[in-house]
Amino acid sequence: LAKTTQPISMDSYEGQEVNITCSHNNIATNDYITWYQQFPSQGPRFIIQGYKTKVTNEVASLFIPADRKSSTLSLPRVSLSDTAVYYCPLAGNKLTFGGGTRVLVKP
Amino acid sequence: AAGVIQSPRHLIKEKRETATLKCYPIPRHDTVYWYQQGPGQDPQFLISFYEKMQSDKGSIPDRFSAQQFSDYHSELNMSSLELGDSALYFCASRSAGGQDSSYNSPLHFGNGTRLTVT
Repeated sequence: LAKTTQPISMDSYEGQEVNITCSHNNIATNDYITWYQQFPSQGPRFIIQGYKTKVTNEVASLFIPADRKSSTLSLPRVSLSDTAVYYCPLAGNKLTFGGGTRVLVKP
Repeated sequence: AAGVIQSPRHLIKEKRETATLKCYPIPRHDTVYWYQQGPGQDPQFLISFYEKMQSDKGSIPDRFSAQQFSDYHSELNMSSLELGDSALYFCASRSAGGQDSSYNSPLHFGNGTRLTVT
């Protein structure tokens, strides 16, 4: 079963760009790379997903190198409300969550 | 837009009691997933259903069972509750897109049921 590895925590300041890298060395051919955000006592919320190259939506960008063994979530100009835990579960038949990254945005 | 509805939001039970958690997926979503998240832990996959049939099984104890009904809602039944079962239980749904491997729709999570076993 493919496993993901992320930094345990990251601190940032309002208005800065936050980049979180996830390693998934054993990613399967049919796995999509997904990112979810979770606030305390709430369910994870989908942010973005991709298979390869770069994907951008209204809240984030996702960079995936050609070998797909890692991915980087980029959050532009973060605000205090972006303080949360971020996960990069691989999406095959189900989502398998590894340890997430606790992002703290400071004023 | 309609979201995944879970009930109850909070549940307090005593050891050895039973509990039933309910999940109502987003309309037209045919796949339901159950996750357990203990305090300070990451969500752990329990079980999933596609078109009312169990599609995958994770770390679900034998004391737990689940099913998906004809209206696509799902119930997680938990018996002989233990203190360690205290956790947030999330349900998620998605449209499987005909199980097409080239299309992967994201999961939509409910806000969970917080189960406390005393």
